[in-house]
Amino acid sequence: GENVEQHPSTLSVQEGDSAVIKCTYSDSASNYFPWYKQELGKRPQLIIDIRSNVGEKKDQRIAVTLNKTAKHFSLHITETQPEDSAVYFCAAFSSGGSYIPTFGRGTSLIVHP
Amino acid sequence: EPEVTQTPSHQVTQMGQEVILRCVPISNHLYFYWYRQILGQKVEFLVSFYNNEISEKSEIFDDQFSVERPDGSNFTLKIRSTKLEDSAMYFCASSVQGARLAPEAFFGQGTRLTVV
Repeated sequence: GENVEQHPSTLSVQEGDSAVIKCTYSDSASNYFPWYKQELGKRPQLIIDIRSNVGEKKDQRIAVTLNKTAKHFSLHITETQPEDSAVYFCAAFSSGGSYIPTFGRGTSLIVHP
Repeated sequence: EPEVTQTPSHQVTQMGQEVILRCVPISNHLYFYWYRQILGQKVEFLVSFYNNEISEKSEIFDDQFSVERPDGSNFTLKIRSTKLEDSAMYFCASSVQGARLAPEAFFGQGTRLTVV
């Protein structure tokens, strides 16, 4: 089955800096990669996603890049703000067999004012 | 903005007891999901449900688990005989279309299940 590794587990940055979170996946049949933000005690919320036919997608301060050859995808947050502090999860959906998500272990992002 | 709602927010139960976690998906959504998140660990897929039957289920979703859509609005997860290791946050989610077409799912706020 699919295996998703996410790094780092914790990321601490100063307000205004950029943050990058990386995920690798094992199943070359994976074709959809969402990122979720989960604030403390709240529900996961989809913030951006990318499909395997696209290499990069951007939405204001958030971008996601995908390297299918290397089987990794990354979340980039520019000009970080304290309200970006949360746990971020990546996931991969494999088109082979059951189409269910495999999640990364999460990255706790702390943005210091 | 429409939301997926879950009740209760926190459930404490004794080992061996049955629990039912309840969810009200977004009204025009047709696909429903349950996930769980053990404290400090990753979110794990349990089951997806469409047209009154299970579409996909993970290895976690064994015979102790069942899902039901008893009426037009509720979607429930039942754990027949709870174990300590069932303690986790359980998230319900729903989506307009099935995962292969549109995997974007909206999550509920979760039910924290504590088995003592």
